[in-house]
Amino acid sequence: VQLVGSGGGFVQPGGSLRLSCAASGFTFNNYAMNWVRQAPGKGLERVSVISGSGDSTDYADSVKGRFTISRDNSKNTLFLQMNGLRAEDTALYYCAKSDCSVTGCHVLDYWGQGTLVTVSS
Amino acid sequence: EIVLTQSPGTLSLSPGERATLSCRASQSLWNNYLAWYQQKPGQAPRLLIHAAYKRATGIPDRFSGSGSGTDFTLTISRLEPEDFAVYYCQQYGGSPPNTFGQGTKLEVK
Repeated sequence: VQLVGSGGGFVQPGGSLRLSCAASGFTFNNYAMNWVRQAPGKGLERVSVISGSGDSTDYADSVKGRFTISRDNSKNTLFLQMNGLRAEDTALYYCAKSDCSVTGCHVLDYWGQGTLVTVSS
Repeated sequence: EIVLTQSPGTLSLSPGERATLSCRASQSLWNNYLAWYQQKPGQAPRLLIHAAYKRATGIPDRFSGSGSGTDFTLTISRLEPEDFAVYYCQQYGGSPPNTFGQGTKLEVK
């Protein structure tokens, strides 16, 4: 299993970024996928999850209405569209695979290397 | 929301010693749905244990999980040099599911 995240960078408050995560080594559409973030020196927060089929999503309250998770099962790729970014969104964003297909699958059995998002003026 | 409290915050031990890490939930976890992850500096977390005691694929048997209800423990029977890291517990048996503890740092004494 390999998960390779990309798309992070430096953005001003109110700006947007789109993260991507390329997956390989497993049947992508059979598993829910997640974005988990870690602010510098802090703990882990699951930001969003999407089912294997892509028809069900869930978000942390802290990002609801600003972030959108999606996936392209034909290209084995996960996305996170982040709008209205705030300084408190600054973090390393990991994509992580769930151990089953629905959004209620919370065990994260494989993680990517993370992509850094910095929100600052 | 369920709050997970990990203790101690930092644990200082020597290689070969036994490590005992605690995770306490503010409410009982349905089906004892608790996982443990290990994170080394500059690396992504790695799943160690799920459902309180089930070892993930490829995890050495020196790692074991136990507990039920609100009190859970990760034990490392004999510390290897590569085990010094930060350990997080995660609950997925409460409402809302999927919250993490604040972490325990296991450092070399």
